[in-house]
Amino acid sequence: DTAVSQTPKYLVTQMGNDKSIKCEQNLGHDTMYWYKQDSKKFLKIMFSYNNKELIINETVPNRFSPKSPDKAHLNLHINSLELGDSAVYFCASSKGQAQALIQYFGAGTRLSVL
Amino acid sequence: SQQGEEDPQALSIQEGENATMNCSYKTSINNLQWYRQNSGRGLVHLILIRSNEREKHSGRLRVTLDTSKKSSSLLITASRAADTASYFCATDTNNDMRFGAGTRLTVKP
Repeated sequence: DTAVSQTPKYLVTQMGNDKSIKCEQNLGHDTMYWYKQDSKKFLKIMFSYNNKELIINETVPNRFSPKSPDKAHLNLHINSLELGDSAVYFCASSKGQAQALIQYFGAGTRLSVL
Repeated sequence: SQQGEEDPQALSIQEGENATMNCSYKTSINNLQWYRQNSGRGLVHLILIRSNEREKHSGRLRVTLDTSKKSSSLLITASRAADTASYFCATDTNNDMRFGAGTRLTVKP
């Protein structure tokens, strides 16, 4: 069974649309993350949740809204998509709140905004 | 903001050769991790080295850490074509972990 799974794997959409990416982990971890990887492969953290509570919120446009219905799920909703949002988005999880712990990544969602 | 910077950005070697990748960072760290990313996949943890450690081994991987120079290196010995991937260092400063842009390693059969 996949430890951290995110859907969809590919997402192609028009500028201005609203879309969601879902993430689920079956590792029993307390902390989940969203990362954005741009075309230069630079991986940047966006959000971190610990037991459904937001603990890290980097400088991300408020068009991006994470939602954690329970500690096994962290979804990412994006409003009014822009061309610059095109990237690969990765979900990850770790055992505890300390980011220093080993993180387990999903396979990524490649978002293309046309 | 970015913390670790990998060097070189890309590395191409023949199977059987050793591959060395470096990571430099700016502020003091608690530990440093190396991850691997195969094309189209998520990152996979390889090894963690704490700030009070100087060297760690795991199979064909050897990681060194020099806190005085704020740098780390990842050595892959006897490389294989399957080692082709991007390798990222991630630095932890007070539970704030940051990734670099990675080194793209190509191992030619």
